Amino acid sequence: QVQLVESGGGVVQPGRSLGLSCAASGFTFTDFGMHWVRQAPGKGLEWVAVILSDGSNKYYADSVKGRFTISRDNSKNTLYLQMNSLRAEDTAMYYCARGPKAGTTTMIIDYWGQGTLVAVSS
Amino acid sequence: EIVLTQSPATLSLSPGERATLSCRASQSVISYLAWYQQKPGQAPRLLIYDTSNRATGIPARFSGSGSGTDFTLTISSLEPEDFAVYYCQQRYHWPPLTFGGGTKVEIK
Repeated sequence: QVQLVESGGGVVQPGRSLGLSCAASGFTFTDFGMHWVRQAPGKGLEWVAVILSDGSNKYYADSVKGRFTISRDNSKNTLYLQMNSLRAEDTAMYYCARGPKAGTTTMIIDYWGQGTLVAVSS
Repeated sequence: EIVLTQSPATLSLSPGERATLSCRASQSVISYLAWYQQKPGQAPRLLIYDTSNRATGIPARFSGSGSGTDFTLTISSLEPEDFAVYYCQQRYHWPPLTFGGGTKVEIK
C-alpha cells in the first residue's frame, strides 16, 4: 500500500532554515509527481509546492516562492522541502502527498502522509 | 487565483440524515473539483475527484455533482465515522492549487 512518511519538523527561530523529508513506498516513485501541502493550527489546507515525476518542473505558492525549494531523489524514493527565511506564518503541519502521474499535469492529490509539524518561534 | 467558498461552515446533523455540502468557485473550474475528508489528528483523505468520481475504497453513500462554479458533496445517510471536516479543491487553474475553507459536519 502507498506509504508517505514525513520527517524533519521541529521548532525553529524566525529567519532560520529547516529541511523536511518524505520517504515514499508502496508505489513506483518515479511514476508520480509529489506535493507539499500545509495546514496551520486550527486552519484549512494550503498548497505549498509540486514537483513533477522527473524533477524537471517545480511550481510554488506565492507565499513561499523564493524561500522554499522542493526537490526529490528518485534513487532514494524521497521528497524534500528546504525552507529558508522562515516566518511565524509558516508554522503548520506539513503534509507530503502524491500527485500527477508521469507525463501528465493532472493535479489530483490521492495519497497523503501523516505530516510533520513545523513551529517557527523565537 | 481561484477562490473556493464552502458553505455552510458547520453542519449539525444526526446519524442517518442526509448531508449536503456546497463549494462555489470564483470562476469556472469546469469539472476539475475534488473533495477531501479530514478527521481530527489525521491527514486528509481523497473522497471524490473531477466532480463525481469516487476514489478507491470510498463508499457509495458519498456522491458529488456540479459543474462550472457550483459543486455539491452529498452524503446520503450519515454514518458515525462521517463526522469530520470536508474540503473542496480545484485543479483547473494552477498554480496555485486552491482549497476551500472547509465544512465541519458535526453530530447534532
